Amino acid sequence: KQEVTQIPAALSVPEGENLVLNCSFTDSAIYNLQWFRQDPGKGLTSLLLIQSSQREQTSGRLNASLDKSSGRSTLYIAASQPGDSATYLCAVPLYNNNDMRFGAGTRLTVKP
Amino acid sequence: DTGVSQDPRHKITKRGQNVTFRCDPISEHNRLYWYRQTLGQGPEFLTYFQNEAQLEKSRLLSDRFSAERPKGSFSTLEIQRTEQGDSAMYLCASSLTEKLFFGSGTQLSVL
Repeated sequence: KQEVTQIPAALSVPEGENLVLNCSFTDSAIYNLQWFRQDPGKGLTSLLLIQSSQREQTSGRLNASLDKSSGRSTLYIAASQPGDSATYLCAVPLYNNNDMRFGAGTRLTVKP
Repeated sequence: DTGVSQDPRHKITKRGQNVTFRCDPISEHNRLYWYRQTLGQGPEFLTYFQNEAQLEKSRLLSDRFSAERPKGSFSTLEIQRTEQGDSAMYLCASSLTEKLFFGSGTQLSVL
């Protein structure tokens, strides 16, 4: 059974810091891994999708890495801004690729 | 492309009542998903449609829950005889590939 864990559950940093969010999964036989952002009371926005054959993906100040063998992914946010404050979730599809298994998320607060 | 739309945004109901939620996916997306999210947790998969066919249902989807996607366009999720434990955010997502696009959700409160 695939289980996804995110550490830390919450993180507070001053503006401008670089930070790393962690995601681990128990079954390394994944097709891909997605990172999402969720603002309070809103839906999820896909940030980055890493295919199983890839090691990392970059979009602007965001960089996500994937290490299937160790069951880990990290989301690196450079030069954090108050607008980055949100909950960040990672998700992997189960074998059938239709059921996404989500972590509980990391709640990020960037203080001005 | 106006994104995924969900209606209503909020629903307050009394225990035992039936409720229905609607999701309008991005028009060219053939895949549609329903998820449920409770406070402090990630979304949990409920069901999946490819076009009009409901191809997968989670064991979380008890017989009080039913979902439809007539003609492969919009979808509805109905909960019969609501219970307090049904209180949650119900999220709809659509996709054409592996990247999911979520709506803003319907927040259900069962009193």
